[in-house]
Amino acid sequence: AQSVAQPEDQVNVAEGNPLTVKCTYSVSGNPYLFWYVQYPNRGLQFLLKYITGDNLVKGSYGFEAEFNKSQTSFHLKKPSALVSDSALYFCAVRGENTGGFKTIFGAGTRLFVKA
Amino acid sequence: DTGVSQDPRHKITKRGQNVTFRCDPISEHNRLYWYRQTLGQGPEFLTYFQNEAQLEKSRLLSDRFSAERPKGSFSTLEIQRTEQGDSAMYLCASSLPRGQGLSSYEQYFGPGTRLTVT
Repeated sequence: AQSVAQPEDQVNVAEGNPLTVKCTYSVSGNPYLFWYVQYPNRGLQFLLKYITGDNLVKGSYGFEAEFNKSQTSFHLKKPSALVSDSALYFCAVRGENTGGFKTIFGAGTRLFVKA
Repeated sequence: DTGVSQDPRHKITKRGQNVTFRCDPISEHNRLYWYRQTLGQGPEFLTYFQNEAQLEKSRLLSDRFSAERPKGSFSTLEIQRTEQGDSAMYLCASSLPRGQGLSSYEQYFGPGTRLTVT
């Protein structure tokens, strides 16, 4: 069965510091991995994805994520956090072998960037 | 605005009543998804349409839930005989057709319909 774990409910960082939001997954076959962000009173916005190719993927707003197959992880990173990055972040996975389009989301990690 | 739209944004209903939500996807997207999100949780997959065909349904979608996409454009999600446990945010998303490259894997979400069952 597919699953996604975001082990931290909240991550606190100071503005200007690097940030990491963790994600691990379990899926049958090769994974398709995604990060979405949710701002208050707004819908989920796509940030970045890993489908194939380079393990380091770059996305919107300076975010990047590294796919690590041996550790089944897809951690979200940013070199220098902004206060405006404060939001709820969701990791999601879909399995290549599921044959369908069911995407499993993690429970979310709230990022708080302090000025 | 050419994004995914949902109507209504909020719905308050009494237990036992029926409710219907509408989703209008991005016009060139032939794939449409419904999710449910409760407080403190990520979105949970409910169902998926490719054009007008409903190709996948979660076991979360009980007999009281039905979704349609009659002309392959907008979709409706109906909940019959609502229960308090149905209170949640109902999200709709859409994506490009297969064959549109890697962009077809990205889902674009609407703002959601928040349902409160009293």
